[in-house]
Order: sequence, then structure tokens, then C-alpha cells
Amino acid sequence: NAGVMQNPRHLVRRRGQEARLRCSPMKGHSHVYWYRQLPEEGLKFMVYLQKENIIDESGMPKERFSAEFPKEGPSILRIQQVVRGDSAAYFCASSPAYRSYNEQFFGPGTRLTVL
Amino acid sequence: QKEVEQDPGPLSVPEGAIVSLNCTYSNSAFQYFMWYRQYSRKGPELLMYTYSSGNKEDGRFTAQVDKSSKYISLFIRDSQPSDSATYLCAMSASSNTGKLIFGQGTTLQVKP
Repeated sequence: NAGVMQNPRHLVRRRGQEARLRCSPMKGHSHVYWYRQLPEEGLKFMVYLQKENIIDESGMPKERFSAEFPKEGPSILRIQQVVRGDSAAYFCASSPAYRSYNEQFFGPGTRLTVL
Repeated sequence: QKEVEQDPGPLSVPEGAIVSLNCTYSNSAFQYFMWYRQYSRKGPELLMYTYSSGNKEDGRFTAQVDKSSKYISLFIRDSQPSDSATYLCAMSASSNTGKLIFGQGTTLQVKP
């Protein structure tokens, strides 16, 4: 059973470009969560999605950031007009619907570098 | 003040030592407590999951929760060099919000 998959693992963008981060949850998992980890800091919750629904986006910056989890395909975290402060590791996690949503399984992360 | 405080370390111990890792928190609504292990450049791995106060043991790992003191601990017995990693505590007020609040993480090094 494959774990949570994220791609790309490393992404380099110049200021002003767009970044698209993809996450495929574990098989059978219908809940997806995105977290951001800045250097020397813990993980910060960004957004919780179920298929075709955003459940909680309280941790998402108000501008430039958006997330989706379509009926088919991976979840996408999109950052428009990236700035240097967006450089971080972005982790996706998933959980099955039949277990506590706190038991989250994390992917390997995407490390975004903004030049 | 951060909701969850965790000493970043680093903590260095000899192989075979008992390791104690701790977190304090300020939000009395937290009821679910998790410990994750994160190796360098990898994603966090769930180690322990506990609800409310008490102890939970799994192999060499013991998680302890004291809600009256807002204090949680992870003990590692017979520590091994392979335990060298960053340990993150995480907390939640509910089982169905999906929003985990993480501590900063403690870096542990176990020397052979």
C-alpha cells in the first residue's frame, strides 16, 4: 500500500511565478491536509479538504494561496506570484474517513525555493 | 505565547539512555495528543496517539499526558542511534477537525 505521494519533491521558482504542489493521498483516504514548515519551526496547518470540498482553510494566507481536491486526481496547493517568504517545506497528510482525523499520515514533502 | 511550546534542543544522549521529550500547552481544550518522528528531509511519521490524560506504551516508547499541568511527555527506553531525529508533539481539541497544532520539535542525537 503506497503511502502519501507528493510531487515534485523539490521546486525552484523565481519571484512572481506560480507554484503548483501535488498530493496523492493514501489509497482509501478521503481527507487531505496541507501544512507548511518554515526553517527551524514546527508544522503550521494550512487547509483541510475532502473530495470537492474545502472544510477548513483557517491557516491559509488570504492572498495568493489556494487549494483544491477534485473528484478525480490529486490535491493541488497553488501559490501565485511567489515571494521569497514562501520558501518552505510543504507537507500533505491524509486520513481515512472511518478513523479519527487526528491520525494523519504524512507525505515526504515538497521543498519550495523562491529565488 | 505559542499554543504549544517545545524545547528545540538539540538533545544529545549516549546509546542505551532513557530519553525524555516534553511539550507544554496553553489551550485547555486540547484532548488529543500525538508524537511524530521526523528524519532529516523526510515527512513526519506518527509514533504515538493518545486521548486525554494517562499513559500509553508501545515497545520502547511511552507517551504520558497530564492535562491538569498541560504537559505531555514521550519517553524512549534503550535509545538507539536510529532514534536520532526530530520529535514533534501535536495536539487537537477534537477528533474531527483535522487541524493539528504542532510544537517546534526537539532534535535528538543518540551517540553510539
